[in-house]
Amino acid sequence: RKEVEQDPGPFNVPEGATVAFNCTYSNSASQSFFWYRQDCRKEPKLLMSVYSSGNEDGRFTAQLNRASQYISLLIRDSKLSDSATYLCVVPQAYGGATNKLIFGTGTLLAVQP
Amino acid sequence: NAGVTQTPKFRVLKTGQSMTLLCAQDMNHEYMYWYRQDPGMGLRLIHYSVGEGTTAKGEVPDGYNVSRLKKQNFLLGLESAAPSQTSVYFCASSYRTGDGTDTQYFGPGTRLTVL
Repeated sequence: RKEVEQDPGPFNVPEGATVAFNCTYSNSASQSFFWYRQDCRKEPKLLMSVYSSGNEDGRFTAQLNRASQYISLLIRDSKLSDSATYLCVVPQAYGGATNKLIFGTGTLLAVQP
Repeated sequence: NAGVTQTPKFRVLKTGQSMTLLCAQDMNHEYMYWYRQDPGMGLRLIHYSVGEGTTAKGEVPDGYNVSRLKKQNFLLGLESAAPSQTSVYFCASSYRTGDGTDTQYFGPGTRLTVL
């Protein structure tokens, strides 16, 4: 099993739709999780952090299910500007002094007008 | 405040040539990282640094060397480029929390092609 797995998509949705992505992780000891957004040919940027059961920020909601070892990202009222690749990221202790980020391969979202 | 910058943005090398990628950050971050991103692979950690004068190997360090002579700069070197090193290289930096909560800030990337 890969350390972090995501459905690559693409998810093609109309403007205004609600869309959800799931991400599964293998390390049951992981405590915190991130969703990063990456636009085409750009760098990843932090979208949301998830430290407990979930987090909400405007139209975006991230939820964590520790028992099943998956996190999800829900986007409500999709905008054209939401079109991007969404990376699921799980930190793991690495070398004792920092945390290694394990990146999923990303889920591509294309919002259609 | 420029954040994390990388030079060059693009580069084409021939097999066997060498080059150095420069990463600079102006956020006074302790930690810095070099990643490569390949299609279908996700970002993979090459080397990282937890402070000035220190470096450590990441997941895929072979064929690369790094140096952190100044806190704000992290250099990635390719001594003898190979086609397998064709990739997009991202530098990142973060605050020193070390508890899994530190956010990494990424540079705009360097697109390297090795012929």
